[in-house]
Amino acid sequence: QTVVTQEPSFSVSPGGTVTLTCGFTSGSVSTTYYPTWFQQTPGQAPRTLIYNTNVRSSGIPDRFSGSILGTKAALTITGAQADDESDYYCVFYMGSGLWLFGGGAKLTVL
Amino acid sequence: EVQVVESGGGLAQPGSSLRLSCEGTGFSFNEYGMHWVRQRPGKGLEWVSGIHWDSTNRGYADSVKGRFTTSRDNAKNSLYLQMDSLRPEDTAFYYCVRGSSAYFSMFGFDKWGRGTLVTVSS
Repeated sequence: QTVVTQEPSFSVSPGGTVTLTCGFTSGSVSTTYYPTWFQQTPGQAPRTLIYNTNVRSSGIPDRFSGSILGTKAALTITGAQADDESDYYCVFYMGSGLWLFGGGAKLTVL
Repeated sequence: EVQVVESGGGLAQPGSSLRLSCEGTGFSFNEYGMHWVRQRPGKGLEWVSGIHWDSTNRGYADSVKGRFTTSRDNAKNSLYLQMDSLRPEDTAFYYCVRGSSAYFSMFGFDKWGRGTLVTVSS
């Protein structure tokens, strides 16, 4: 059974750049999985940052970008700000009408 | 302004049923696939179900298949989640999410609601 893997935690300095990745326990991510990225701060609903690999959702600043890096989907945050400190989730379309989330990654800005 | 607003959450006993609703405003509801996503307290996100714009196709997570049914009424700009045979592990915030296309199986997710809490307990 395929599992979506995310590194559980990251840290970045203010103004710095960080890349979060999502992959599979076996196999490679491609655009056909429509990688989508979300941000969630404690006590709030998630919001969509990136869908369909690299399309920014409405209102999302261009310091958030999505891509495929090697065998994984990637979310890159450039010019990190204090309010980027959040949980980040990815999701993939696995086919047969099924979407699968990663376990989430906590980003600390320090 | 694009909005999706959930309602219908509450306390339910194990084995009982509950129906969630979601109303979409500020966009052409009948042009988008829709999703339900849940989050157990203190845990990560779990996709529950999706439905095409025209209800011709739906999908369900294995954890809810056969117990939950997603439907929509485009005339009322509304999405529904009928939850039967509820279990304590169904306790979660349930979010309604607009898809990024007319088909829930394509492109991803877009606008999220604030969620509604379902608690299954005796």
